[in-house]
Amino acid sequence: SAVISQKPSRDICQRGTSLTIQCQVDSQVTMMFWYRQQPGQSLTLIATANQGSEATYESGFVIDKFPISRPNLTFSTLTVSNMSPEDSSIYLCSVERAGETQYFGPGTRLLVL
Amino acid sequence: AQSVTQLDSQVPVFEEAPVELRCNYSSSVSVYLFWYVQYPNQGLQLLLKYLSGSTLVKGINGFEAEFNKSQTSFHLRKPSVHISDTAEYFCAVSSIQAGTALIFGKGTTLSVSS
Repeated sequence: SAVISQKPSRDICQRGTSLTIQCQVDSQVTMMFWYRQQPGQSLTLIATANQGSEATYESGFVIDKFPISRPNLTFSTLTVSNMSPEDSSIYLCSVERAGETQYFGPGTRLLVL
Repeated sequence: AQSVTQLDSQVPVFEEAPVELRCNYSSSVSVYLFWYVQYPNQGLQLLLKYLSGSTLVKGINGFEAEFNKSQTSFHLRKPSVHISDTAEYFCAVSSIQAGTALIFGKGTTLSVSS
């Protein structure tokens, strides 16, 4: 498995501001992903965080809104920019181990007022 | 591309009763299959996975699932549930190519009452 931590665990933000979420893994991993879970919904992939290159975004998600950094093989950040109430969600990072299984962090619960 | 359908959005059961949470998938390529559980106000925890081999896989907390390729199903079962099993359960699929993301179903809320 993997030990994954996320900061902050939760936050309440004002619309128009930005929040950066950190994801730290206990050992080096090749693949890291960011997901969003809107209230009462399933998980949707935002992007794949690539080490040393730009993230790969899924349809409907853009870099200007969700910039991602991956400076090394154990750390990534996701920024939610210019927030609106529709951005209120749980944001989860995950890592892939052994080429087939993803393990998830505890999530960051974001409420935008 | 893959897709996952969880056939029941909510499943209420009494404690010590058996339960089955249903999951069907669609894919044009070979896949791995997973069940995750999300307890209230917590992140996702891996329950079990099917990669290859035996079609009956056993996971944590007494859960098991059976992969049925002909029916493209991966139903989750437990012979006797506890109150503590109350949670959201997600079925997910990924292609067998490393580095591909998970595609999740919409989730099934399991509510266990006494």
